Amino acid sequence: NAGVTQTPKFQVLKTGQSMTLQCAQDMNHEYMSWYRQDPGMGLRLIHYSVGAGITDQGEVPNGYNVSRSTTEDFPLRLLSAAPSQTSVYFCASSQTNTVNEQFFGPGTRLTVL
Amino acid sequence: GENVEQHPSTLSVQEGDSAVIKCTYSDSASNYFPWYKQELGKRPQLIIDIRSNVGEKKDQRIAVTLNKTAKHFSLHITETQPEDSAVYFCAATDSWGKLQFGAGTQVVVTP
Repeated sequence: NAGVTQTPKFQVLKTGQSMTLQCAQDMNHEYMSWYRQDPGMGLRLIHYSVGAGITDQGEVPNGYNVSRSTTEDFPLRLLSAAPSQTSVYFCASSQTNTVNEQFFGPGTRLTVL
Repeated sequence: GENVEQHPSTLSVQEGDSAVIKCTYSDSASNYFPWYKQELGKRPQLIIDIRSNVGEKKDQRIAVTLNKTAKHFSLHITETQPEDSAVYFCAATDSWGKLQFGAGTQVVVTP
């Protein structure tokens, strides 16, 4: 099992550019989520999904879109990148809802100039 | 919604001493409290968790206690070792079952 994988590991964008962060898991987990991690602020939930075809907003959803067409994949799209979106992004998955261990991907370090 | 506060933000301990990190939460419906360890440049990894029907849980040198009445829970690391140096995050579920994380505690274990 590869667990939770994310690509790319690093990315530099210019303000206004768009891009998609990829996340995949091979554990047949129903629940997947995206967090951003900023210094001194812990992990903040951006969007989450309780199963294929179902997504919902977390604490900081503005500027991001998600989709869940398959159980395995949960991509995060930045529509028009802004410097405030400079952060480390983690994808996570768990078996059902969040009252179970969440497994994190290795993260994507994004810089927006 | 759920609000999780974590203290201290940094903790320096001598090797062999104990470390204690405390968290408080606001949502009385919270029923799951995990603790994650994150080494520099790595992903967060679960080290221990506790559910609301349990007051204490122990796993070798790590223990977690939960006081539901006071809405606080704590992580205890005994006999600290240099490899315990990392950032530790507490978390609690909100009313919808989503995890709310604390801001993290940087633990430094000095030989």
